[in-house]
Amino acid sequence: DIVMTQTPLSLSVTPGQPASISCKSSQSLLHSDGKTYLYWYLQKPGQSPQLLIYEVSSRFSGVPDRFSGSGSGTDFTLKISRVEAEDVGVYYCMQGIHLPITFGGGTKVEIK
Amino acid sequence: EVQLLESGGGLVQPGGSLRLSCAASGFTFSSYAMSWVRQAPGKGLEWVSAISGSGGSTYYADSVKGRFTISRDNSKNTLYLQMNSLRAEDTAVYYCAKDQHIVVVPAAMFTNWGQGTLVTVSS
Repeated sequence: DIVMTQTPLSLSVTPGQPASISCKSSQSLLHSDGKTYLYWYLQKPGQSPQLLIYEVSSRFSGVPDRFSGSGSGTDFTLKISRVEAEDVGVYYCMQGIHLPITFGGGTKVEIK
Repeated sequence: EVQLLESGGGLVQPGGSLRLSCAASGFTFSSYAMSWVRQAPGKGLEWVSAISGSGGSTYYADSVKGRFTISRDNSKNTLYLQMNSLRAEDTAVYYCAKDQHIVVVPAAMFTNWGQGTLVTVSS
C-alpha cells in the first residue's frame, strides 16, 4: 500500500498569513500517462470533505486562488497564500493512482 | 446539482449486518465510478470500497474484504454497501463519494461527497 505522510499535524495561523502543508508518498504518484494523481481535500468542522486540488496543482471548481498545490513524484505541498477564517478544518492529501486509495493522516488548521 | 444522500446507518451488535444506501441525483449515475469512504470517530479518512460505473468491477480495502459487498443499481441511481460480520472497529461515519471517471483507477478522484451515515457496532 502507498503510505501518505502529512506534516505538520496541526497549524495555528494568523488571518492574512500564509500556511503550508507537506505530503509525502511512499511511492511515486507519476503515472505512465504523464499525470500525477495527488489530491487535496478540506474537511471543515461538521462537514463532509471537499475537493480542493486535483492532479497536484489544478484547483477544483469554485476553489479560491489563494489555494495552490505543487510538487512531483513523492513530495507535495499545499499552500494557502493568505489564510481566512473559513479555511479552518482538517486538510487531507490522497493518492488515486493505486489501490487501495490512501489518505494522509490529516493536518488541522486553526486560526490564532 | 449533484446530490448524494446516504441512509441505512444505525446501531448494530458485533457480528451483525447492515446495508447502506446512497441515492444519487443531478448527474448521469452510470457514467461514474463510486466509492465508500469511512471516518472513525475523531480519526482520519479511510477508503473502503469502489465500483466502476457499469458495476462490473469492484474493489475493497483489505480491512473489509470478504465481509463487505459494494453494488449499484443504475436504474435506481443508487449505490449500496452490504456490511456483514461487523466489528467494533467498523464504527464510523460512512460517506459515499462520486468519482470523476467511469473507472476507478488510476485516476480516482472524489468530486462530490454525501453527508455521511453513522454506523455504530456495539453490544
